[in-house]
Amino acid sequence: GQQLNQSPQSMFIQEGEDVSMNCTSSSIFNTWLWYKQDPGEGPVLLIALYKAGELTSNGRLTAQFGITRKDSFLNISASIPSDVGIYFCAGSQGNLIFGKGTKLSVKP
Amino acid sequence: DTGVSQNPRHKITKRGQNVTFRCDPISEHNRLYWYRQTLGQGPEFLTYFQNEAQLEKSRLLSDRFSAERPKGSFSTLEIQRTEQGDSAMYLCASSLSPRPHIPYNEQFFGPGTRLTVL
Repeated sequence: GQQLNQSPQSMFIQEGEDVSMNCTSSSIFNTWLWYKQDPGEGPVLLIALYKAGELTSNGRLTAQFGITRKDSFLNISASIPSDVGIYFCAGSQGNLIFGKGTKLSVKP
Repeated sequence: DTGVSQNPRHKITKRGQNVTFRCDPISEHNRLYWYRQTLGQGPEFLTYFQNEAQLEKSRLLSDRFSAERPKGSFSTLEIQRTEQGDSAMYLCASSLSPRPHIPYNEQFFGPGTRLTVL
């Protein structure tokens, strides 16, 4: 099925660092959503974006809906250990189309 | 707990057997979705209901798969004659239906049912 291009695929974080990930698509979406998934669990909704250009924050998380409606990014500021997990972007055309995820791990 | 619930959480079955999963959505949500997720991938859409009507089915939903939502509340997903390629996490999500000023694209997921076909 169709999937979005999400990058990076994985990254290591050290506590206190800022993290950035993005998602691009060849299709236009009217809504972008960002989810976090822990092992063995379902995705948990973090942020939903409804307007092109919109910048929305949820605590240490900030996400933007790209002007072209074909991309979005998510920033996490001052990362903490519980931020580890897999982050998915999703574009909505009714049903959701997901990226392959960005896996956040703690630096050894 | 008023979130989306799914049962069972894990299912191990032998190839060729039938399996059925259940999803209970958030009570005020009219829309219910089924997704499948394999290792290293994002969830992929299978089908969705608005109330009891099944409105869309993905090409991923082969004729061995059937979903129902008879009373517009809980839903079941049945897989007949399971194959090893059916092994995956099956996720259910629910949302409100479209209305002005309602965030109907916000889908809330259950914990999933992990299916292993031996």
